[in-house]
Amino acid sequence: EPEVTQTPSHQVTQMGQEVILRCVPISNHLYFYWYRQILGQKVEFLVSFYNNEISEKSEIFDDQFSVERPDGSNFTLKIRSTKLEDSAMYFCASSTGTPNEKLFFGSGTQLSVL
Amino acid sequence: GQSLEQPSEVTAVEGAIVQINCTYQTSGFYGLSWYQQHDGGAPTFLSYNALDGLEETGRFSSFLSRSDSYGYLLLQELQMKDSASYFCAVRDPGGFKTIFGAGTRLFVKA
Repeated sequence: EPEVTQTPSHQVTQMGQEVILRCVPISNHLYFYWYRQILGQKVEFLVSFYNNEISEKSEIFDDQFSVERPDGSNFTLKIRSTKLEDSAMYFCASSTGTPNEKLFFGSGTQLSVL
Repeated sequence: GQSLEQPSEVTAVEGAIVQINCTYQTSGFYGLSWYQQHDGGAPTFLSYNALDGLEETGRFSSFLSRSDSYGYLLLQELQMKDSASYFCAVRDPGGFKTIFGAGTRLFVKA
């Protein structure tokens, strides 16, 4: 079965540093997402991306966050100046975008901000 | 806005049947999805109900009552590997996001 791939699996960074989390969505999917999950908590929506632009973002997704699809396959999340509270598991997901959409999640990047 | 309520924890024994409930409040509604997440893993899609009734997929079934804004996930013949968190989720009809409940942690005991 096709899968969403994410790299790296773990990222440790110092507060204030920039990080880029990378994702390769499933090739024929049209909608791309970033979610995050703080340990033991719910999966929280960050941003959705369609047709090369952000289609929706949450209040968490402030000016420190940005997304990009630099080529036909990669989808990245950049955090410009990391804070301690950004420590979480970040999941990339993709879907075909139909109303009964099934989200396909990558295995996640565990971000630790020290 | 959208909100989903589900129990935080459920415990059951191997071989038993367990039901995980979910109630939702939404301004519009396409359908209710269920995802499974093992510790350290990614959420994986289990089922989707758009219409009232029961959908069966092997040992797992999912039920929806749109009039009651209620659904449940039924797991039969429980196995140890079913120990995981289970999330109900709805698609925001006005936008592009899927909203997840807080999750139900299922513990399966021998």
